[in-house]
Amino acid sequence: DAKTTQPPSMDCAEGRAANLPCNHSTISGNEYVYWYRQIHSQGPQYIIHGLKNNETNEMASLIITEDRKSSTLILPHATLRDTAVYYCIVRVAYGNKLVFGAGTILRVKS
Amino acid sequence: GAVVSQHPSWVICKSGTSVKIECRSLDFQATTMFWYRQFPKQSLMLMATSNEGSKATYEQGVEKDKFLINHASLTLSTLTVTSAHPEDSSFYICSASDAYEQYFGPGTRLTVT
Repeated sequence: DAKTTQPPSMDCAEGRAANLPCNHSTISGNEYVYWYRQIHSQGPQYIIHGLKNNETNEMASLIITEDRKSSTLILPHATLRDTAVYYCIVRVAYGNKLVFGAGTILRVKS
Repeated sequence: GAVVSQHPSWVICKSGTSVKIECRSLDFQATTMFWYRQFPKQSLMLMATSNEGSKATYEQGVEKDKFLINHASLTLSTLTVTSAHPEDSSFYICSASDAYEQYFGPGTRLTVT
């Protein structure tokens, strides 16, 4: 599975959009971009995933560049409860193990 | 959505004893289950992958005789930490995979005294 690079931490004001970047320059054609988050002392929570098209669900939007070498997770209206570690993971779809990197600590501040 | 439970949520045991952690998929059948370990302020590290009815596949550096994994049914996997030592104190997280996605349990906090 391709390696990902994320900033170690980011701050965001409550109510504003949080944009979390991820670089995955060695991604292969059959690899998806997955995003999970982990709130302190809990198991990871699935957020969203995509292959090459932009995706949106009730939690977030995922923007993938045309060359697929990077992506951005967007939380449109961040709340204090969105404070967590966000992990960007690249893998072949379905069933394969997830390899977690260091992730980005997002701190939402009032 | 699919729910994965872990039991116990936390456990304290004495050095030298063994402790068993259960991981259950509550509303779906899990073809594969994964076990992770997480030390404070670190990321999750995959320990092993288990498929129902077969032996687990351990990641490099994980002692299979120390961390015994049993995946007896499509809804239950267990991790037994044998002869636990203080350095085994950690947050243990399982995930269960159906044909489409992985779902994570809430984690088990193990403290070895």
